[in-house]
Amino acid sequence: QLQLQESGPGLVKSSETLSLSCTVSGGSISNSNYYWGWIRQPPGKGLEWIGSIYYSGNTYYNPSLKSRVTISVDTSKNQFSLKVSSVTAADTTLYYCARQLGLSAPGAFGVVDYWGQGTLVTVSS
Amino acid sequence: EIVMTQSPATLSVSPGERATLSCRASQSVSNNLAWYQQKPGQAPRLLIYGASTRATGIPARFSGSGSGTEFTLTISSLQSEDFAVYYCQQYNNWPTITFGQGTRLEIK
Repeated sequence: QLQLQESGPGLVKSSETLSLSCTVSGGSISNSNYYWGWIRQPPGKGLEWIGSIYYSGNTYYNPSLKSRVTISVDTSKNQFSLKVSSVTAADTTLYYCARQLGLSAPGAFGVVDYWGQGTLVTVSS
Repeated sequence: EIVMTQSPATLSVSPGERATLSCRASQSVSNNLAWYQQKPGQAPRLLIYGASTRATGIPARFSGSGSGTEFTLTISSLQSEDFAVYYCQQYNNWPTITFGQGTRLEIK
């Protein structure tokens, strides 16, 4: 059974950089059938896609966050990571890592089929 | 950006009754539409993709329909475990995926 686990500081100071990692177990991050993404959710609110990465390192970002976001992958550790720079209170939210279906899934390319449990990051002033 | 609008924001339905949730896209997404269920303190769970295909393990009481800009999630006979928040998601505009703001399904 695939599992994704987010890790990283739960508290970040305003204007600094938020860094999170996602460890994948029960499957290989190098599987060419999938993409790996980050999605966030403010408490009690909706879902916002942050960006995705392919095992080869190709990245795709939400245009609204692109200038502040970097996603990277470490296939040797079966992990991928998220950095958000210049954080503000608006970045206080629950961050999920997730697996997205790729081209091998007809009619489902981009669907999120596995999610981590989520990690809450609070930005302090 | 494709904006997904869900209605109603909150739906009150009695157990055993049918629930119908709507999702509208600001432009056509073909049938590249998924539905997710989220319970308190949990990550979302995939229910439907391709507008109408149930994901693995999803009960038959969940069904999806629609194409283009108008979509519906129907739960035919509500069970206690179905009361949750439901999100639609378009993936037609890959890699930019967008979600609706959610519909809260509550017990009447």
